[in-house]
Amino acid sequence: EAQVTQNPRYLITVTGKKLTVTCSQNMNHEYMSWYRQDPGLGLRQIYYSMNVEVTDKGDVPEGYKVSRKEKRNFPLILESPSPNQTSLYFCASRQFNQPQHFGDGTRLSIL
Amino acid sequence: DQQVKQNSPSLSVQEGRISILNCDYTNSMFDYFLWYKKYPAEGPTFLISISSIKDKNEDGRFTVFLNKSAKHLSLHIVPSQPGDSAVYFCAASERGYQKVTFGTGTKLQVIP
Repeated sequence: EAQVTQNPRYLITVTGKKLTVTCSQNMNHEYMSWYRQDPGLGLRQIYYSMNVEVTDKGDVPEGYKVSRKEKRNFPLILESPSPNQTSLYFCASRQFNQPQHFGDGTRLSIL
Repeated sequence: DQQVKQNSPSLSVQEGRISILNCDYTNSMFDYFLWYKKYPAEGPTFLISISSIKDKNEDGRFTVFLNKSAKHLSLHIVPSQPGDSAVYFCAASERGYQKVTFGTGTKLQVIP
């Protein structure tokens, strides 16, 4: 089954404790993105990647890092999480000129 | 600066009637528009799209209309069904999907 898999689905952690949210897709898609969803703000892009070792900032990249060492994986790294990064995060992938496929989301709470 | 706006946070419609969800955009460089549907605890799923060279695209019960002069698009669902109850996101992109900008979403409730 074609899918985008995010882990963990839920995480409660504390300020400053590094965390990684993993994202994996099995569709051989070139493009991958990370979004965060906040009330009243919709989905905002954090980072995106057009291929292996090619990443770029989206609209709200501050406080986040990403890497794309393999085509299927695109982890989101929070080196020093802060409470304003409490949000619902979505990973997405797509093939060129096709709509995005989204994962089921990761709800992060940073205390 | 919100380039894609959905001014109605919520909408309630009776089953069998038409649902109309609206979206406005400000960036005249947008040339592709999409609608996504999102159920609770799931990621958004693609619903329907339209290119700026068209003014209408239809897929079953779903039709998207684009008015370029007004920078406005709408999604019509006819007839509405309870399973259509979800949050609908409007999205727009330029240069063929290179960057997608999403609206804030409209929560549709279809009442049986």
